[in-house]
Amino acid sequence: EAQVTQNPRYLITVTGKKLTVTCSQNMNHEYMSWYRQDPGLGLRQIYYSMNVEVTDKGDVPEGYKVSRKEKRNFPLILESPSPNQTSLYFCASSLLGGMANVLTFGAGSRLTVL
Amino acid sequence: AQSVTQLGSHVSVSEGALVLLRCNYSSSVPPYLFWYVQYPNQGLQLLLKYTSAATLVKGINGFEAEFKKSETSFHLTKPSAHMSDAAEYFCAVSESDSWGKLQFGAGTQVVVTP
Repeated sequence: EAQVTQNPRYLITVTGKKLTVTCSQNMNHEYMSWYRQDPGLGLRQIYYSMNVEVTDKGDVPEGYKVSRKEKRNFPLILESPSPNQTSLYFCASSLLGGMANVLTFGAGSRLTVL
Repeated sequence: AQSVTQLGSHVSVSEGALVLLRCNYSSSVPPYLFWYVQYPNQGLQLLLKYTSAATLVKGINGFEAEFKKSETSFHLTKPSAHMSDAAEYFCAVSESDSWGKLQFGAGTQVVVTP
């Protein structure tokens, strides 16, 4: 089944404890992206990647890191999480980047930082 | 720069009644426009997209949207609501000079009452 898989789905952590949210897609998509969803704000883009080793900042990149060493994986790294990073995170991918790209989303990862 | 405004964070409709969700955008160039739906505890999935072909776009589950350049709008409609339409709906815009970036609105939660 074609899908975007995120792990963990739920995580409670404490301030400052590094964590990684993994994202993997099995569709050979070139484009991948991370979003955070907060009530009343919709989805805001954190980082995106047009291809392997090519990443760029979205609208809210502060406090996050990403890497794209393989086409299928795009992990999101929080080096020192803070409570304002408590959110619902979505990874998404598409065949190509660009204006008309239709995104396939993962099921989401709900992160709580205490 | 692009932005998206969804009027109304919550909409309540009766089963069988018209569903109308409003989306206005600002864009300096002709945009691509999308509607995504998020069912409870799931990721987003595409309902429909406008890519400068026909201004009336038909999507899945009986939804359609009309692009009106003069009003900078892309409102989503469905003639007759079904209980299964209860979800959150997001309008999104993409521009040629924002390669890889998709800007989402804040979302509209739809409640369907019997």
